[in-house]
Amino acid sequence: KNEVEQSPQNLTAQEGEFITINCSYSVGISALHWLQQHPGGGIVSLFMLSSGKKKHGRLIATINIQEKHSSLHITASHPRDSAVYICAVRSRLVGTASKLTFGTGTRLQVTL
Amino acid sequence: KAGVTQTPRYLIKTRGQQVTLSCSPISGHRSVSWYQQTPGQGLQFLFEYFSETQRNKGNFPGRFSGRQFSNSRSEMNVSTLELGDSALYLCASIKNPGRQGAHTEAFFGQGTRLTVV
Repeated sequence: KNEVEQSPQNLTAQEGEFITINCSYSVGISALHWLQQHPGGGIVSLFMLSSGKKKHGRLIATINIQEKHSSLHITASHPRDSAVYICAVRSRLVGTASKLTFGTGTRLQVTL
Repeated sequence: KAGVTQTPRYLIKTRGQQVTLSCSPISGHRSVSWYQQTPGQGLQFLFEYFSETQRNKGNFPGRFSGRQFSNSRSEMNVSTLELGDSALYLCASIKNPGRQGAHTEAFFGQGTRLTVV
């Protein structure tokens, strides 16, 4: 079993729909990252969470530390949101501060 | 403020050759981590350097190595290339991760796409 599990693997939505991507992890963490990767490869960090909820524009990220679960929501989705969304966790273990463990990603396609 | 710069962006090498990739972190950032991304394995941690010292290493063979210079720029080297080394190699820079790494944003480069033929 992977340390970080994402669902769904693939998601197709129509423009305007509300989208949720889920991430579950099995290790103790100091932080969880949501990343966006467009075709071509570059990765953009969307959020870094250690508790609660963060919002940036149409994107909302939540984390429940007790349940080891995080969600990324996109409100009013748009074709430009089409990308791969990756959940990554940073272990709480001392000495592993910068090591990120990644989920397999969710490929999102938003159509007109 | 310039972002994380990786060079080259694309590279084609032959089996058995060796390759060196470069990563220049954001100015003032002292930690550089390297990751390999393949369709089969996804993103995997290679190693992390902080203040010219390797702090962590992932589960990769000894053919994969790296170093960091005093200006925080980092290089990774892969010797005796195999077809399976074809991947996107990404680096990320962090300002000052600290021992627990709390509240430290990671900034990624565009990656180097390596093709081994």
